Amino acid sequence: EMQLVESGGGLAQPGGSLRLSCVDPGFTFSKNWMHWVRQAPGKGLVWVSGMSGDGSFTKYADSVKGRFTISRDNAKNTLYLQMNSLRTEDTALYYCVSGTGGYYFWGQGALVTVSS
Amino acid sequence: EIVLTQSPATLSLSPGERATLSCRASQSVSSYLAWYQQKLGQAPRLLIYEASNRATGIPDRFSASGSGTDFTLTISSLEPEDFAVFYCHQRSNWPYTFGQGTKLEIK
Repeated sequence: EMQLVESGGGLAQPGGSLRLSCVDPGFTFSKNWMHWVRQAPGKGLVWVSGMSGDGSFTKYADSVKGRFTISRDNAKNTLYLQMNSLRTEDTALYYCVSGTGGYYFWGQGALVTVSS
Repeated sequence: EIVLTQSPATLSLSPGERATLSCRASQSVSSYLAWYQQKLGQAPRLLIYEASNRATGIPDRFSASGSGTDFTLTISSLEPEDFAVFYCHQRSNWPYTFGQGTKLEIK
């Protein structure tokens, strides 16, 4: 079963930055929309951002618009999430997800903690 | 933004019983609704896509229906491994949104 692999999580101060990466070992990476979904400790799922297969379309949740940037490198089968101006409420496990019709494929999650 | 409201927040049932979970959208999402199951400490798993289609490998005791604004997930006879949190998710309008979840617990 294909598994996405996230990296780049860690501790950041409020106002700081982090960049998450997600490697997709599959063969159809460049054809698929890819998304980021986050889950704060003990809370529900929140869709964060998505990008089309060719990178021409990007979408964001209102809560991260202007602070987070999604990007991808199809030659490396890698999705990124650049997170700037981090806030304490951005603390969460960030999942990279993909799939047609629904999110069949999930990573194990990258933990981001924003704290002073 | 489309708000998805799930009910009940918590459902307490016994193995063998039938579970019915609801998801209501603040505006029509057509059939672009999915259901996910999340067990403690695990990533969510896709159960249903496009309102009523079971994902690959999902047992047929899971079924779903609905379109527009009202959706239902039914588990016909609960197995011990079914107890978890369930989320609905719409991919009809940007930004995509999830419901707040229904916790299915053992009575």
